[in-house]
Amino acid sequence: DVKVTQSSRYLVKRTGEKVFLECVQDMDHENMFWYRQDPGLGLRLIYFSYDVKMKEKGDIPEGYSVSREKKERFSLILESASTNQTSMYLCASSLYGETEAFFGQGTRLTVV
Amino acid sequence: GENVEQHPSTLSVQEGDSAVIKCTYSDSASNYFPWYKQELGKGPQLIIDIRSNVGEKKDQRIAVTLNKTAKHFSLHITETQPEDSAVYFCAASGGSGNTGKLIFGQGTTLQVKP
Repeated sequence: DVKVTQSSRYLVKRTGEKVFLECVQDMDHENMFWYRQDPGLGLRLIYFSYDVKMKEKGDIPEGYSVSREKKERFSLILESASTNQTSMYLCASSLYGETEAFFGQGTRLTVV
Repeated sequence: GENVEQHPSTLSVQEGDSAVIKCTYSDSASNYFPWYKQELGKGPQLIIDIRSNVGEKKDQRIAVTLNKTAKHFSLHITETQPEDSAVYFCAASGGSGNTGKLIFGQGTTLQVKP
């Protein structure tokens, strides 16, 4: 079974902190994604990576950056956390374009 | 870039009735349209997908239809059961210049009443 593991289920951080959300997949997938889920807004793509060190901005990249130094790991970085970044963050991976995406269980981030 | 609109946002049906969720997409080059189901406390899971060379696909009680001309695709669930209650998301991929980016709709909360 494909496994996508996010490092934390729940996280509380202070405004202005630098926050790292980690995601690891175990199936040698090419693509990895970071989404943000908010009620009524669905899953909004923050960043997408199609290969090691390759990334594309999604619909809402402002305030975020990403790192993919190894194929299995995709990190989301909040440079200076703000309260409007309080949300559920979901990581996903897929083998290549237009194939099934597998999701992690999500990280509920609260910025106070 | 691609934009996916999903309706309705909430849907309540009686057990045994059918449920239909509709999505439209903006990029005519998109060619892959998956549907995901998200249960409480879990990440979304793929339930069915369709590619642009096919107009309809069925898997037991669920089916998806695609109208490429209208840029419209729908999820149909027949004989609904309480365990079908969840949030459903449509998505689109493969659009112009696309490297595999997957864009989701806003989600539909389906409630099946016993």
